[in-house]
Amino acid sequence: GEDVEQSLFLSVREGDSSVINCTYTDSSSTYLYWYKQEPGAGLQLLTYIFSNMDMKQDQRLTVLLNKKDKHLSLRIADTQTGDSAIYFCAARGTDKLIFGTGTRLQVFP
Amino acid sequence: EAGVAQSPRYKIIEKRQSVAFWCNPISGHATLYWYQQILGQGPKLLIQFQNNGVVDDSQLPKDRFSAERLKGVDSTLKIQPAKLEDSAVYLCASSPLAGAPGNEQFFGPGTRLTVL
Repeated sequence: GEDVEQSLFLSVREGDSSVINCTYTDSSSTYLYWYKQEPGAGLQLLTYIFSNMDMKQDQRLTVLLNKKDKHLSLRIADTQTGDSAIYFCAARGTDKLIFGTGTRLQVFP
Repeated sequence: EAGVAQSPRYKIIEKRQSVAFWCNPISGHATLYWYQQILGQGPKLLIQFQNNGVVDDSQLPKDRFSAERLKGVDSTLKIQPAKLEDSAVYLCASSPLAGAPGNEQFFGPGTRLTVL
């Protein structure tokens, strides 16, 4: 079945850019998502990209998709302390979402 | 628009006891999902409902877990009897229609279950 992998931790200085990476195994995945989870809260959808696109930009967020390598990244420009959270990559084949293990982003002053 | 509501927020039980979680999805959302999120992992789908019918329950441990969605609105997830490895956050999500482009799933805050 589908497997989605992410690095576990990322630490950046406030104001720098953050890049969170994700790899997936199912080349038939139609949509790829990025969710944010803050402590004690549910998941919040940040953005998604359709598999026939290679880039999507939404304010400070840029998603890059390399379909050949099955690699997805989320870039956060001008990272703020409020961006500290766990970020989950998820892939959708039919209607089931498969989530990665999450990347904990820590932003320090 | 009100979000997905879940209760209780926290529950502590002893192993072999029973527990039930409740979810109220966003009004009008046809699809409802229950996920299990073990500490340090991503959410794993347990069961998906379309209105009041089950679409996917392939990862639901049916010997101890059960779920229902009567009248296609609220849903309950039950564990009977609980095991230590059931300690996790149980997330409920809803979406307007399964398979729609983008098809954003809206998540509730979750119920944190601790089994002692």
